[in-house]
Parts: sequence; C-alpha cells; structure tokens
Amino acid sequence: QSVLTQPPSVSAAPGQKVIIACSGSSSNIGINFVSWYKHVPGTAPKLLIFDTDQRPSGIPDRFSGSKSGTTATLHITGLQTGDEADYYCGTWESSQSVGDWVFGGGTKLTVL
Amino acid sequence: EVLLVESGGGLVQPGGSIKLSCAASGFPVGSNYMAWVRQRPGGGLEWLAVIYSGGATHHAQSLRGRFTVSRDPSKNTLFLQMRDLRDDDSGVYYCAREIYHAAGSYFDYWGPGTLVSVAS
Repeated sequence: QSVLTQPPSVSAAPGQKVIIACSGSSSNIGINFVSWYKHVPGTAPKLLIFDTDQRPSGIPDRFSGSKSGTTATLHITGLQTGDEADYYCGTWESSQSVGDWVFGGGTKLTVL
Repeated sequence: EVLLVESGGGLVQPGGSIKLSCAASGFPVGSNYMAWVRQRPGGGLEWLAVIYSGGATHHAQSLRGRFTVSRDPSKNTLFLQMRDLRDDDSGVYYCAREIYHAAGSYFDYWGPGTLVSVAS
C-alpha cells in the first residue's frame, strides 16, 4: 500500500490530454515539493517534473505539473505513442524526525 | 555526461547476501546525495536508502537493518550490501542521484537497474 495514491491506469487517444493525480497528505505532498517520473519497464526511470511544476532541460512543455493542497497532478497534452509508460509521483514523507522518500503506486498510461 | 550503471545482481538463495554496485561517471559520487530504489515484480518504485554528501546514511525502516548503503569516492561507486535476503526482495534495483534543497529533493539521473532474484 503506497503512501501516495495514483490511479492504476489512464488511457486516451493520440493528440488528446490526460491528467494523472497523486493524492497524499499534510505530511508529504501538503508541505513538500513533488516530482514525477516516467518509467518504461526495463529502462532507467526518467525525471519529468521536479519541484512540483518545473521541467528539466529537454522535457517538452506537453508535460506540466501542479499541486493543490495534498494532491499533485501531472498533465500530459498532445499524447504520443511514445508516452506509453508507467508514471510515478514522489515526495518526502515528513511525519518522522528524519524524512523518507515515498512514491505513488504508479499509473500505467495507454495511448489508444 | 552523467551516467549511472548498476551491477552485481543475480540469483541468491533465501537468507543469503549480495552486494550491488553503481558506477557513476560525469559527477563525483562523494559530493552528491545518492540513493537506491527498487521495483519488485508487479509493483511500483520503493525508496530504500540514501547516502548524503557528508557520508551519513538513512535507510527505510521497513528494511529492518538488512541493507546498508555505502560508497567509495576513489572508485566513484555506490554500493548496496543486502543481507538475510527474502523472496520478496526480488526485483530490479536502481541507483539514482538525488538533488536536495531545503524544501525537498528529486532524482535527476537513474541507472538502468540490476535484477536480483531470491530463490532456492
């Protein structure tokens, strides 16, 4: 059972938009930055969004992140077949004296 | 160019030990936060441990002291010593560089992973 909750799967047609939500609590998403990762099984995970809404160099602006309260959201527009992957959110869990990193359970994106 | 490459995975019997390595290039391991993350079969990403730039370490409580992260700056390599292995420790193990600032952190580079299988 992951500390952060994501939908197991989402799907949409090429060119469409999807939104992946990541629900947490006041001790993690509520007070810390969130990052998002794209993971194609068998390959290295890739950073998509850091500090909740920042894109690393080389990540297209089709990918964007936001947060409201204890829920973070990844938006992907103009879907492409190459976007098919598992997507994970992550952040610090600050409920203990020394924070642990926590990830969501992952969301499988299918581009129909 | 930043590159991380894990090695050392393989088949190990329950109760056994294995030591994973993560060779880094393009940046100094000893000056960065470095972490281990795993993915068990059918599961998501699970954070395991971090070694801070100053050398202190922090491990997930769920590991109950069975895993130990370390590094060798002279070889620019990160390690994960895994002991008393159980079936549910099977999975792909990734190393990652962690970028830290006051309000949080994130993992900007990851290796492709090394597979550990625990079975008799």
